[in-house]
Amino acid sequence: GAVVSQHPSRVICKSGTSVKIECRSLDFQATTMFWYRQFPKQSLMLMATSNEGSKATYEQGVEKDKFLINHASLTLSTLTVTSAHPEDSSFYICSARDHLWYGYTFGSGTRLTVV
Amino acid sequence: GESVGLHLPTLSVQEGDNSIINCAYSNSASDYFIWYKQESGKGPQFIIDIRSNMDKRQGQRVTVLLNKTVKHLSLQIAATQPGDSAVYFCAENIMGGGADGLTFGKGTHLIIQP
Repeated sequence: GAVVSQHPSRVICKSGTSVKIECRSLDFQATTMFWYRQFPKQSLMLMATSNEGSKATYEQGVEKDKFLINHASLTLSTLTVTSAHPEDSSFYICSARDHLWYGYTFGSGTRLTVV
Repeated sequence: GESVGLHLPTLSVQEGDNSIINCAYSNSASDYFIWYKQESGKGPQFIIDIRSNMDKRQGQRVTVLLNKTVKHLSLQIAATQPGDSAVYFCAENIMGGGADGLTFGKGTHLIIQP
């Protein structure tokens, strides 16, 4: 089945630094990848949608200059949290959709803690 | 629609019993629905999906029911097992609608009592 690998699973960074999270589709080509954020005991909120080779589309209220998304290949998308602050601490989850079928596969998530 | 709230509803079920988890979706134009299971610290895991041209779909120990009239979705889990303990989310989407991301419901925390 479709597998999405997300790395790192946990990261702790200092306030003001940047963190990059990688999302890879291992056995399929993902023309579209999605980034979600989840706060404790809450649901997943879509942050942005990225299509391979084009700029990401951000949801309302998500700062595109703070959350940089790159989808340079059909198997890799990255999310960079720039100038991180404690309020950015959250669980970030990527999802990829196979270009051949309408299905969403999720990564295992990244727990970001900004101290 | 957005999912808001600081507390997840909890459903406690005796092991071996059946459980029903409900979800009210927000967009009447949504035509694709998915149930996900999320264990602590992990990403969502696909359980079952259904398209709007159906009102019922069955999988292994799970059944999804869709009532478009009242915008309601339910997940039935038969003969619950300890491994079923998790948070369950419904998600909705409009296939080919341009906005490709999923909109998630609030979630329900299912606890299986031994």
